[in-house]
Amino acid sequence: EPEVTQTPSHQVTQMGQEVILRCVPISNHLYFYWYRQILGQKVEFLVSFYNNEISEKSEIFDDQFSVERPDGSNFTLKIRSTKLEDSAMYFCASRGTGETQYFGPGTRLLVL
Amino acid sequence: SQQGEEDPQALSIQEGENATMNCSYKTSINNLQWYRQNSGRGLVHLILIRSNEREKHSGRLRVTLDTSKKSSSLLITASRAADTASYFCATGRLNAGNNRKLIWGLGTSLAVNP
Repeated sequence: EPEVTQTPSHQVTQMGQEVILRCVPISNHLYFYWYRQILGQKVEFLVSFYNNEISEKSEIFDDQFSVERPDGSNFTLKIRSTKLEDSAMYFCASRGTGETQYFGPGTRLLVL
Repeated sequence: SQQGEEDPQALSIQEGENATMNCSYKTSINNLQWYRQNSGRGLVHLILIRSNEREKHSGRLRVTLDTSKKSSSLLITASRAADTASYFCATGRLNAGNNRKLIWGLGTSLAVNP
């Protein structure tokens, strides 16, 4: 069964460093999402992406964040200058023509 | 209450018992989805119920939706120790266009004791 994959599974970085989180959505899906979950808190929407552009972004998704679909398979989230409060689990999701969003296993980011 | 609030926040039951979790939301929705998350792991989609549906079944799962009360419930029958996880409801907005972002609750932490 097709699934969303994410790499790396864990990343530790120093404050101020750039990180790139990678996702491979399900191959025939058209809609892509990033969410994050700070430990013990709700899952929060960050950004949605369709037809090679951002369709909606949350207040969290400030100028430090960017997304890209550099080729036909990868979908990346870049945080330019990480802050302590960016420590969270980051989930990528993709959706086909239906309503269900399929999530990857997540990348646990720890900013020191 | 906030969009997609679940209750109870924590539930502990014995294997074989049924577990019921509730979710309330505030805005008009297109659909409501339940997800499961094992400790520190990914989000696994369980079931989706559309706003024009009242009840849906999938194996040992039964989901109800009451749009007049803006609430949903997830029932897991004949629970097993392997059902131990956190369960989240997430709502898809009405008229969301191409976005269809999900709004999440805090989740219910279910412990099924052998």
